[in-house]
Amino acid sequence: QQQVKQSPQSLIVQKGGISIINCAYENTAFDYFPWYQQFPGKGPALLIAIRPDVSEKKEGRFTISFNKSAKQFSLHIMDSQPGDSATYFCAATAGGTSYGKLTFGQGTILTVHP
Amino acid sequence: DTAVSQTPKYLVTQMGNDKSIKCEQNLGHDTMYWYKQDSKKFLKIMFSYNNKELIINETVPNRFSPKSPDKAHLNLHINSLELGDSAVYFCASSPGGGRVGYTFGSGTRLTVV
Repeated sequence: QQQVKQSPQSLIVQKGGISIINCAYENTAFDYFPWYQQFPGKGPALLIAIRPDVSEKKEGRFTISFNKSAKQFSLHIMDSQPGDSATYFCAATAGGTSYGKLTFGQGTILTVHP
Repeated sequence: DTAVSQTPKYLVTQMGNDKSIKCEQNLGHDTMYWYKQDSKKFLKIMFSYNNKELIINETVPNRFSPKSPDKAHLNLHINSLELGDSAVYFCASSPGGGRVGYTFGSGTRLTVV
């Protein structure tokens, strides 16, 4: 059972464009939604995260939009740059006995053309 | 100064062998994890330890045995390796099982031939 579904699988954007990656979750116990960026040969690195009590969070060129009723959240990368080319993962976690367990989406390979 | 370090970075071995992957973190975190990333890049948790105590065992075959000698170290031993074990294994840590401050190592690529 895939608890966090991510789309698209791959995305090609021109430099300066907007990259949008979407995720949907099923488990209503999830209460923290991070996005990770992974470059080839490296581990995932936290990019930005949101809690469900806010609908949007922005950090520089990266924005998370969150729709609690629809159980969906998305990552927007404004003014996309070639250096943003990487694999992006949405994730979700619940408190309590889950003890920091991250449930990941399937990943999106982003390619930004110069 | 590496925060979460894993060794080795690459591991090529034959089916049936036993191998270990070591992980150390210098962040002072209480909780450590092992994640598996398959050939399609899907990341899934295998184990988590909090202060040397096993917290999560995500229905991993018992050929996989994690060991935490102290809260800064979490090793993964794999017995009787199978072709399907080929993957990238990531160690991670976080403070007290919390979500903030989650840090991954750079991974160990295991290839079973």
